[in-house]
Amino acid sequence: DTEVTQTPKHLVMGMTNKKSLKCEQHMGHRAMYWYKQKAKKPPELMFVYSYEKLSINESVPSRFSPECPNSSLLNLHLHALQPEDSALYLCASSLEPGLSQPQHFGDGTRLSIL
Amino acid sequence: GEDVEQSLFLSVREGDSSVINCTYTDSSSTYLYWYKQEPGAGLQLLTYIFSNMDMKQDQRLTVLLNKKDKHLSLRIADTQTGDSAIYFCAERSGANNLFFGTGTRLTVIP
Repeated sequence: DTEVTQTPKHLVMGMTNKKSLKCEQHMGHRAMYWYKQKAKKPPELMFVYSYEKLSINESVPSRFSPECPNSSLLNLHLHALQPEDSALYLCASSLEPGLSQPQHFGDGTRLSIL
Repeated sequence: GEDVEQSLFLSVREGDSSVINCTYTDSSSTYLYWYKQEPGAGLQLLTYIFSNMDMKQDQRLTVLLNKKDKHLSLRIADTQTGDSAIYFCAERSGANNLFFGTGTRLTVIP
């Protein structure tokens, strides 16, 4: 069982919809991450939050909008997505940013864009 | 940029040892990690090794690191059918980035 919880597990949405992915951890971790994983590919980093502030944005299109309302929660707001955005979206957290603490992953949200 | 390579597939018989290999290019990597991903699931951290170590053992798992050749391996002793999954090696680059290998799909034959 993972200590990083992601909801929903599956999401199907149209290109004009607005939806949000949610991620929660109660391990006291101060760094949280969003990754995108296409089928048969490794995860690719999208965003990093350190102490609730966005520290890395890996040139992600603005139709993906991250939000960190507090140290336990991380959201990813989705708007006007494209079919190529269909993927598994993984959230991860680590104890501290900038230290070599391992990242712990959630089970992901499998997103399908119609 | 960073480049992390793995063989795509590995098949072993139940009870045998599995060895999954990984090569990386960033000589400044400080930590290297092994993750397991089962179908439809997220990534499970298996083990990790600091770059000043050359071996780490954790129950059935043995990690070997050859820093000179930038080669990392994961040995799974007494491989079980439940070990069938995709295994990713990953290197930490910079403060927060993890770069993942291409993943090795391990199939355990009963």
